[in-house]
Amino acid sequence: EDKVVQSPLSLVVHEGDTVTLNCSYEVTNFRSLLWYKQEKKAPTFLFMLTSSGIEKKSGRLSSILDKKELFSILNITATQTGDSAIYLCAVGPAYGGATNKLIFGTGTLLAVQP
Amino acid sequence: EAGVAQSPRYKIIEKRQSVAFWCNPISGHATLYWYQQILGQGPKLLIQFQNNGVVDDSQLPKDRFSAERLKGVDSTLKIQPAKLEDSAVYLCASRPSFRTGEAFFGQGTRLTVV
Repeated sequence: EDKVVQSPLSLVVHEGDTVTLNCSYEVTNFRSLLWYKQEKKAPTFLFMLTSSGIEKKSGRLSSILDKKELFSILNITATQTGDSAIYLCAVGPAYGGATNKLIFGTGTLLAVQP
Repeated sequence: EAGVAQSPRYKIIEKRQSVAFWCNPISGHATLYWYQQILGQGPKLLIQFQNNGVVDDSQLPKDRFSAERLKGVDSTLKIQPAKLEDSAVYLCASRPSFRTGEAFFGQGTRLTVV
């Protein structure tokens, strides 16, 4: 059975700290790993990773995938209170393919205190 | 580009009652997902449509849940009869199958069964 595991389940930090969120997976027919941020209800897309060792970066957020060890990390530097959210990791489709479902982990709840 | 639209935003029903949720995906998106997200957990896939056909409904409790996507555009998810454990946020997402891999989520419907 396909499985996506995230750690830690929750994390409390202070503004300015750097955090690392982890996602490991065991899936058949891996194609891509996606990170989402969920603040209220709708998850919003952050990154999609398909190749090992290539860092994706957006502002203070960055992510990298290791397909050999089957995990990904999401880094957030200089955290702000607005980064408080649930961060979801999902394994899913790359380009094309109608039958690829997104399988989500349980998420990491990040709370950034002022 | 308009996002994924869902309604209602909130619904409170008594157990054993019926409820229906509606989703209008982003125009042109062939793939549509319904997810159930129980508090403290990651989204769990209930059903995936490709146009108006079901691709995956392996985790849909078919004795009480049903979904359809007539004409391959908007979709409805129904629960009949509802149980207390159905209390969750129901998220609809859509994806352009043959262009990019990320799915775009609606705001969700928060269902409370009392």
